[in-house]
Amino acid sequence: GAGVSQTPSNKVTEKGKYVELRCDPISGHTALYWYRQSLGQGPEFLIYFQGTGAADDSGLPNDRFFAVRPEGSVSTLKIQRTERGDSAVYLCASSGDRVASEAFFGQGTRLTVV
Amino acid sequence: GEDVEQSLFLSVREGDSSVINCTYTDSSSTYLYWYKQEPGAGLQLLTYIFSNMDMKQDQRLTVLLNKKDKHLSLRIADTQTGDSAIYFCAVAYNAGNMLTFGGGTRLMVKP
Repeated sequence: GAGVSQTPSNKVTEKGKYVELRCDPISGHTALYWYRQSLGQGPEFLIYFQGTGAADDSGLPNDRFFAVRPEGSVSTLKIQRTERGDSAVYLCASSGDRVASEAFFGQGTRLTVV
Repeated sequence: GEDVEQSLFLSVREGDSSVINCTYTDSSSTYLYWYKQEPGAGLQLLTYIFSNMDMKQDQRLTVLLNKKDKHLSLRIADTQTGDSAIYFCAVAYNAGNMLTFGGGTRLMVKP
């Protein structure tokens, strides 16, 4: 596609439920990043993939968060037992190499846990 | 870890210059960026500078980097109402695979 696509654009879920957020990167981009942006704050790094492997997952807040990228393209961020504090906009970005200066961001998925 | 700070708010009149400032803590940062975020929109990369540069100019945008003081600024010349948005400073290390963002500066341009 023309840009990074994230689905759904909005997700409302009940506390304790499981959610999956999807990211379709720009075709051919090998690097993929997930960030989380809480209201009034800057994005915070969660995880970075180079190809299929998670090269850096140091930003995942706890073991309820997990992300996969099985074929080196589409990525899914999975959140188990959601909590109200997980409410945020989850941003995905992709780039053609390891230099983040070429990272292009998607529109984000706004997750609301009620 | 890295800490990136920005002032929260800036208001200017249309046609004036805007200067948005950013400070960071880790001197090993190698790439420094400015992103723009408009309401309901994703992050748009405006410009970036390598740590071995002092200045970069791109049309109405001028980025200044003072490595000694760990200070980065973005100057927007002839600011327009369409420049109203939140501006984020971000820094990265080494190969730049992870960005640390500041909290953002909301720029309001008055006609």
